[in-house]
Amino acid sequence: DQQVKQNSPSLSVQEGRISILNCDYTNSMFDYFLWYKKYPAEGPTFLISISSIKDKNEDGRFTVFLNKSAKHLSLHIVPSQPGDSAVYFCAASDTGTASKLTFGTGTRLQVTL
Amino acid sequence: DTGVSQDPRHKITKRGQNVTFRCDPISEHNRLYWYRQTLGQGPEFLTYFQNEAQLEKSRLLSDRFSAERPKGSFSTLEIQRTEQGDSAMYLCASAKGATNEKLFFGSGTQLSVL
Repeated sequence: DQQVKQNSPSLSVQEGRISILNCDYTNSMFDYFLWYKKYPAEGPTFLISISSIKDKNEDGRFTVFLNKSAKHLSLHIVPSQPGDSAVYFCAASDTGTASKLTFGTGTRLQVTL
Repeated sequence: DTGVSQDPRHKITKRGQNVTFRCDPISEHNRLYWYRQTLGQGPEFLTYFQNEAQLEKSRLLSDRFSAERPKGSFSTLEIQRTEQGDSAMYLCASAKGATNEKLFFGSGTQLSVL
């Protein structure tokens, strides 16, 4: 039962262009969403989050959009840089579960020169 | 902020042996989590502590797994009678506050069961 889905295992984008990573969820109780970035042999690093009361949150080059009716969120990276190459995980939580995060399977982003 | 520390980084063991991993969370963080990640998957929740109390355990956590957090500081995760299916990255994370605070992850312990 995959409650958080990232249907694109990989994505390749040219440096300077926009990267769009997508995530879908099925559990309507989820009300807080996060994106984590992971480099090989390291733990996931927090990138950006959004509460279900918002539909957009920005932090520098990173913007997360939330469409609650479609149970869909996306991460936009503009402009993409080679250092952004990593695996990106979407995660979700239900406020009542003390931030127990449910993760997607990840999307590997490759930013090419 | 020294981050979440996990030890060891790598562990190779034979099937049937017991292993123990340690996690030192960020000092002011009252919540501590253990996750497991296998190849091609995202991290899966195993168990959660608030201070020294273990408040939730996943169905993934069989009787061979036990976790402790004495005095609400560091935590240990023990796997008894390891099986090849236990091979995975074991991640520890910590957080402060009540809810909706982002989790800070350690670099993980990579377990290989031969």
